Amino acid sequence: EPEVTQTPSHQVTQMGQEVILRCVPISNHLYFYWYRQILGQKVEFLVSFYNNEISEKSEIFDDQFSVERPDGSNFTLKIRSTKLEDSAMYFCASSETSVQTQYFGPGTRLLVL
Amino acid sequence: KNEVEQSPQNLTAQEGEFITINCSYSVGISALHWLQQHPGGGIVSLFMLSSGKKKHGRLIATINIQEKHSSLHITASHPRDSAVYICAIAGGAQKLVFGQGTRLTINP
Repeated sequence: EPEVTQTPSHQVTQMGQEVILRCVPISNHLYFYWYRQILGQKVEFLVSFYNNEISEKSEIFDDQFSVERPDGSNFTLKIRSTKLEDSAMYFCASSETSVQTQYFGPGTRLLVL
Repeated sequence: KNEVEQSPQNLTAQEGEFITINCSYSVGISALHWLQQHPGGGIVSLFMLSSGKKKHGRLIATINIQEKHSSLHITASHPRDSAVYICAIAGGAQKLVFGQGTRLTINP
């Protein structure tokens, strides 16, 4: 069964460093999403992406965040200058259309020291 | 006020019991999702509902749009059902707004 994959599974970085989280959505899906979950808290929406552009973003998704689909398969989330409060699990998801089930990747656990 | 409220926050039951988890929301929605999050953190989509009822194996999800309420039921619960169950709403745009989750523990 097709699945969303994410790399790396864990990343430790120093405050102020740039990180890139990578996702490979399901191949025939057209809508892509990033969510994050701070430890012990609920999952929060960051951004949705369709047709090579951001379709919606939350107030969390400020100028230090960016997303890109650099080729036909990868979907990336870049955090330019990480802060301690960026430590969280980051989930990528994809869906075939905007109103269908979203399939989640296994997540990348980011720790900022 | 949270847009999505789940109850209970924690639920412990014995194997075989019938389980009900509730979700209330405060805004108009296009769909409601039930998801399962295992201890390792991975999230699996269980149901997407816009009306009525859906069943998959021992899981049943219902929604009442007028009352802005949904329930997730598990029949003949089993220890492997132990997980966090999350309700999330889609308000017409693509983003999901998540509830806090219900931590379910099924004891053998």
